[in-house]
Amino acid sequence: DAGITQSPRYKITETGRQVTLMCHQTWSHSYMFWYRQDLGHGLRLIYYSAAADITDKGEVPDGYVVSRSKTENFPLTLESATRSQTSVYFCASSETRGTQYFGPGTRLLVL
Amino acid sequence: GENVEQHPSTLSVQEGDSAVIKCTYSDSASNYFPWYKQELGKRPQLIIDIRSNVGEKKDQRIAVTLNKTAKHFSLHITETQPEDSAVYFCAASINTGNQFYFGTGTSLTVIP
Repeated sequence: DAGITQSPRYKITETGRQVTLMCHQTWSHSYMFWYRQDLGHGLRLIYYSAAADITDKGEVPDGYVVSRSKTENFPLTLESATRSQTSVYFCASSETRGTQYFGPGTRLLVL
Repeated sequence: GENVEQHPSTLSVQEGDSAVIKCTYSDSASNYFPWYKQELGKRPQLIIDIRSNVGEKKDQRIAVTLNKTAKHFSLHITETQPEDSAVYFCAASINTGNQFYFGTGTSLTVIP
């Protein structure tokens, strides 16, 4: 589990501000994922990446931007935060055809 | 896309009893079905998984069964213990390297 980390672990921001959540993995996994977790909705996929410079939308991509210039990093940016983006965000990684391993999560509160 | 439904949303059992959580999926092409356990304030962690070429898999007190015809799979926990209390998520995937479609979770409480 220590192979995938997220920062910050907790973040409070205001509506309209830009926020970037970081995800770093040391396993050299090809795939990386961003999920948000809200009560009643389980885990919903925001974006995922199959390799460096390859990203694709998931179920709920609106309001988010991702990049993957290096295999080990997959930052998630909220360009203009809204209250509806208050959530717990999990990053995950996997090898090709492997199971997904989750980071510890980032709790984001948008005021 | 795939749609995964999970039931029940909450489940309470007495310590030592069995617990069963059921999931259904919609896409017959799904071929990988992991189960995750999430303790309060922690990350989801894989506890067991099954592939479509297998009907049942066991790991100590935990077992998963898969019925491809009916498109449903279930998690069985026997001899439950208080430390089994957590939220459990099922998921389905066509390719384990690609998207997982998660159920909405089951909050299991084991009463001592």
